[in-house]
Amino acid sequence: DAKTTQPPSMDCAEGRAANLPCNHSTISGNEYVYWYRQIHSQGPQYIIHGLKNNETNEMASLIITEDRKSSTLILPHATLRDTAVYYCILDTGRRALTFGSGTRLQVQP
Amino acid sequence: EAGVTQSPTHLIKTRGQQATLRCSPISGHTSVYWYQQALGLGLQFLLWYDEGEERNRGNFPPRFSGRQFPNYSSELNVNALELEDSALYLCASSRPYGTGITDTQYFGPGTRLTVL
Repeated sequence: DAKTTQPPSMDCAEGRAANLPCNHSTISGNEYVYWYRQIHSQGPQYIIHGLKNNETNEMASLIITEDRKSSTLILPHATLRDTAVYYCILDTGRRALTFGSGTRLQVQP
Repeated sequence: EAGVTQSPTHLIKTRGQQATLRCSPISGHTSVYWYQQALGLGLQFLLWYDEGEERNRGNFPPRFSGRQFPNYSSELNVNALELEDSALYLCASSRPYGTGITDTQYFGPGTRLTVL
């Protein structure tokens, strides 16, 4: 299965944008990029997903590079409640999401 | 709209016993997925059911099994419990298989299983 690489941790000041990078250099043409987050032992929360184009919803924006080998999740105005582990995942269509170790985002007051 | 629900919230068993975990998907969703999150580890895919059939299975021994009922709810059974089975078990649901190559999985709150 295709894998993703994320930094283990990041800090962000409250009210500022949080930009979380993800590398997926071996991504295949039909694999979607998904982002989830998990707040301390709760079930993962879906954030956003995309295939080729940039996407935006009420929670975040997803920027996918033209070669699709990397992406960035943007939380435009981070709050303390955004402190969580963020997972970048590729869905091959087999529906078996592979969660890596993710990025632990700490939003600082 | 109600989300994915799971029961029980917590379950305590002893080694060798059987555990049964239950999941109700979001209304209109027919696909149900099970994941295991052991302490300090990432989520590991266990099973995927759609329309009552097992569609995919992760790298787990046969003592992990499940089924999906006509109302699309699902059960995960773990036989011959071992200490290492202690984990948070998460259920997710999505729209019917065939809607597209992929579909967003929405997760429930999980069942924490403790094996003593």
